[in-house]
Amino acid sequence: SAVISQKPSRDICQRGTSLTIQCQVDSQVTMMFWYRQQPGQSLTLIATANQGSEATYESGFVIDKFPISRPNLTFSTLTVSNMSPEDSSIYLCSVEEGSNQPQHFGDGTRLSIL
Amino acid sequence: EDQVTQSPEALRLQEGESSSLNCSYTVSGLRGLFWYRQDPGKGPEFLFTLYSAGEEKEKERLKATLTKKESFLHITAPKPEDSATYLCAVRETGANNLFFGTGTRLTVIP
Repeated sequence: SAVISQKPSRDICQRGTSLTIQCQVDSQVTMMFWYRQQPGQSLTLIATANQGSEATYESGFVIDKFPISRPNLTFSTLTVSNMSPEDSSIYLCSVEEGSNQPQHFGDGTRLSIL
Repeated sequence: EDQVTQSPEALRLQEGESSSLNCSYTVSGLRGLFWYRQDPGKGPEFLFTLYSAGEEKEKERLKATLTKKESFLHITAPKPEDSATYLCAVRETGANNLFFGTGTRLTVIP
């Protein structure tokens, strides 16, 4: 399966600032996804990162808060904008290598907002 | 609304004590059910995919089964290294995204 690398692995940020998380895959994949995992909770899909077009956001998530880029088939970024303590969470990137195949995940970015 | 419920929330087993984890789901049409293992500080690691009722998959001490309403992850003679959070996720017909349950935190005591 694809190897997924996320950077940074963790960060502590001040409220009101923005952070961009990178997701690099070692092979070309069609589907890339961004999830949030809040403490003690399940994974929640933020958006599907589409190559060459705008990301598709789930209910409750908006592009102004979580802009996503997908410049090619191996790379995506998620920006968490104007951060507040409620944004403290783990952010995970996943990829799907084929139709109805399982998603494979990176190790996530642990974000704390002070 | 789609729903995935896992039980129990937490489970402590003695080494060698077999048990089962449950994942109940409600979707309009099931495209696939996925089991993952998540260790602290790591992303979910894929274990199994089940596509239709009656299907079973096995890997070492783990066996996953599927009915029309739920899936079980059976753990036979667990070892301490099986300690982790086990996540269940479903993919609905016509969709690409996964809906995750909140997981079962398994602790196996030597």
